[in-house]
Amino acid sequence: AQSVTQLGSHVSVSEGALVLLRCNYSSSVPPYLFWYVQYPNQGLQLLLKYTTGATLVKGINGFEAEFKKSETSFHLTKPSAHMSDAAEYFCAVTYNTNAGKSTFGDGTTLTVKP
Amino acid sequence: DVKVTQSSRYLVKRTGEKVFLECVQDMDHENMFWYRQDPGLGLRLIYFSYDVKMKEKGDIPEGYSVSREKKERFSLILESASTNQTSMYLCASSSTDRAHEQYFGPGTRLTVT
Repeated sequence: AQSVTQLGSHVSVSEGALVLLRCNYSSSVPPYLFWYVQYPNQGLQLLLKYTTGATLVKGINGFEAEFKKSETSFHLTKPSAHMSDAAEYFCAVTYNTNAGKSTFGDGTTLTVKP
Repeated sequence: DVKVTQSSRYLVKRTGEKVFLECVQDMDHENMFWYRQDPGLGLRLIYFSYDVKMKEKGDIPEGYSVSREKKERFSLILESASTNQTSMYLCASSSTDRAHEQYFGPGTRLTVT
């Protein structure tokens, strides 16, 4: 069964510092990979996705992620954190079968300190 | 813009009541999903549907049922609500054409007393 591991349920950074949220997945075939963000009392919204092609993908709000097949990782980064980045972030894996059912990580709460 | 709407943002029900949560999407997506979200447990899939009248159990289907009579609408039913079903419920939809990225509704926070 596919699984997604997000290392660190809570990450705290200072405003202006690098943001790094880690995601590893277990898979024997290439997946589709996603990062979603959830602000308080809202649903999730897509930050970025990897399907095929270039392994470094850029998303909204200055975030990017790199697909590393050899490491089965899809870590999310942002060079300079902003207060508005404080939210919960979910990594997800989907395969192009089974109605696109996704497996989500447990989430990482990002706190940004002034 | 894809829009997924859920019938209520907040709902309070009593133990034993039958509860209906409605979800509507306006992008002609073939796939729809119901999740519950609890602190420390992430998102857990309850049921999903890949076509009208088609449904499959997710990871935690016990105590729930679903209905999809029209492509745009996916309903979650709690046959007899219990206090352990107090949670945030999220609906989502997706399409194979867009690599299954999921579009989420705003969520329904259900409290069962």
